Amino acid sequence: AQTVTQSQPEMSVQEAETVTLSCTYDTSESDYYLFWYKQPPSRQMILVIRQEAYKQQNATENRFSVNFQKAAKSFSLKISDSQLGDAAMYFCAYRATGNQFYFGTGTSLTVIP
Amino acid sequence: DTEVTQTPKHLVMGMTNKKSLKCEQHMGHRAMYWYKQKAKKPPELMFVYSYEKLSINESVPSRFSPECPNSSLLNLHLHALQPEDSALYLCASSQGETSIFYEQYFGPGTRLTVT
Repeated sequence: AQTVTQSQPEMSVQEAETVTLSCTYDTSESDYYLFWYKQPPSRQMILVIRQEAYKQQNATENRFSVNFQKAAKSFSLKISDSQLGDAAMYFCAYRATGNQFYFGTGTSLTVIP
Repeated sequence: DTEVTQTPKHLVMGMTNKKSLKCEQHMGHRAMYWYKQKAKKPPELMFVYSYEKLSINESVPSRFSPECPNSSLLNLHLHALQPEDSALYLCASSQGETSIFYEQYFGPGTRLTVT
């Protein structure tokens, strides 16, 4: 069974600093995709970044980047130059064949001015 | 248009009421989802429709009844709910299962309170 684990229920970061959120997953599939979603206090869930399992190169989107370690089944999110608007719940998610997405338990990120 | 819309935004209902939640997308997505979410928790999958047919039902109580009238619309009919059903109900859509590259797009949710 696919499981996604986020071991940090809460994290905090000083504004303009860098923070890394961790995510591990368990799967026997060889082809899959990983996603980080952000859910600010307004509650709309939006995609931050995605990674294809077959790509060795780590995905980046502006200030957001991932460290994807396929052998270790690890998929961490790095947020550089943190901004107040980055404060949110962050969910790691996994998708393989089929329509189902598997979510981690989430990390609540606080940005300190 | 990369938007999933949900109505109403807020809903308060008594335990004997019947109400419906509505979700709409015009991105041509063939998979549509209902999730229930409690505060600071991940979304819990309730139902998945694939090509307008119910493909996943996560043992949801029968007081929740989904319906997919067409490829753009998804409804969730509510009847005889319990106070513990109070939550944020999220709708999402994605490309079908042959396109696992694609993420889910979420609506803003309906905040449901059962009194």
